[in-house]
Amino acid sequence: EVQLVESGGGLVQPGGSLRLSCAASGFTFSSCDMHWVRQATGKGLEWVSTIVPAGDTYYPDSVKGRFTVSRENAKNSLYLHINSLRAEDTAVYYCARATGSSSWYTFDYWGQGTLVTVSS
Amino acid sequence: QSALTQPASVSGSPGQSITISCTGTSSDVGGFNYVSWYQQHPGKAPKLMIFDVTKRPSGVSNRFSGSKSGNTASLTISGLQAEDEADYYCSSYRSTNTWLFGGGTKVTVL
Repeated sequence: EVQLVESGGGLVQPGGSLRLSCAASGFTFSSCDMHWVRQATGKGLEWVSTIVPAGDTYYPDSVKGRFTVSRENAKNSLYLHINSLRAEDTAVYYCARATGSSSWYTFDYWGQGTLVTVSS
Repeated sequence: QSALTQPASVSGSPGQSITISCTGTSSDVGGFNYVSWYQQHPGKAPKLMIFDVTKRPSGVSNRFSGSKSGNTASLTISGLQAEDEADYYCSSYRSTNTWLFGGGTKVTVL
């Protein structure tokens, strides 16, 4: 069974940093594209990063320079490091996967999310 | 990078069919056959319902179907059921490993 479990969220002061983790199981993690998607309370989904098996990374302009996605295939783990946190980064952060068994262009499994709250 | 445009809400009675639209541009929805639809119940993670415009993952009811015309994709739910009440989001691949989501549509079963 495919499982994605996020952790690392919490209350952080503006300007601080945080590292989110996503533990994967039930599939060949090293072969999948992995993504982070966030959702502010009561708002829509927003794609914030992608890392492919070779380690190339991609971000929207809105977070480029502050967000860093990484992966540790030996530990079946995905990470998101966020710097210079702002109030508008407050959201539930989901990890999701993409694989050629369905489509490289969709997010076929999602974790339950971890809440990041940026407030003083 | 503006979000894809979805209606804020759509409603229907049990047994009816409803359609949710998702409008983008030739750089996303119109340029690629990589539109997906996600269902999200309150407090839950999104669930993939349709991918690559028309394909259904294993286990998803055939009451859900997808289509696309030009820069607008659509999700149709036929035989509406109470359990279909949820938020629905479209997404589209743009280019060079970037994605865009719609603002979401709240489906209400009357």
